[in-house]
Amino acid sequence: DTEVTQTPKHLVMGMTNKKSLKCEQHMGHRAMYWYKQKAKKPPELMFVYSYEKLSINESVPSRFSPECPNSSLLNLHLHALQPEDSALYLCASKTGGEGDTQYFGPGTRLTVL
Amino acid sequence: QKEVEQNSGPLSVPEGAIASLNCTYSDRGSQSFFWYRQYSGKSPELIMSIYSNGDKEDGRFTAQLNKASQYVSLLIRDSQPSDSATYLCAVKQAAGNKLTFGGGTRVLVKP
Repeated sequence: DTEVTQTPKHLVMGMTNKKSLKCEQHMGHRAMYWYKQKAKKPPELMFVYSYEKLSINESVPSRFSPECPNSSLLNLHLHALQPEDSALYLCASKTGGEGDTQYFGPGTRLTVL
Repeated sequence: QKEVEQNSGPLSVPEGAIASLNCTYSDRGSQSFFWYRQYSGKSPELIMSIYSNGDKEDGRFTAQLNKASQYVSLLIRDSQPSDSATYLCAVKQAAGNKLTFGGGTRVLVKP
């Protein structure tokens, strides 16, 4: 089973709203990722959690706030976003050892009005 | 700047033919290589991983790795219209948790 789930599938929010994206995996993976993807571009890394600790923050604006409550869950809290933040937000988790394979969730399509 | 380069395409292939996709990378320390398929509006789906020089086959897909020349390729045999998608090459260094993605190659399989 290589399933990563994400909710919601679609989200429309205003620039003054606060919302959260959720990601869950039950594969025992210990690294989890948030990516942002704009149309016709590759995924752009935002954050990496390794063993529930933030290990990489790719200089993402503070209006994006990640949280890893436990080894299976990853949240992305959104506040005061801009229209240019509209994108597909992808969560991924990674196996360990030689495999080191990242598996992506289905994504959340975010539209900021 | 560690880079992964792909031809953006579109690569137009007749149904039943072989699609050949190439990817070059700049970091000689790279150890793990992945091909993801992404349909429009969907998330990337892993189709192949390769770690050693040579060929790796999985169904209609063959990945080829040449670390000396720093390239990895993907062959799709007997291409089907359902193979029409963007193919992302991703490379991981030996240490750390990051993948570096190429820009993707768009493949169009015409019936």
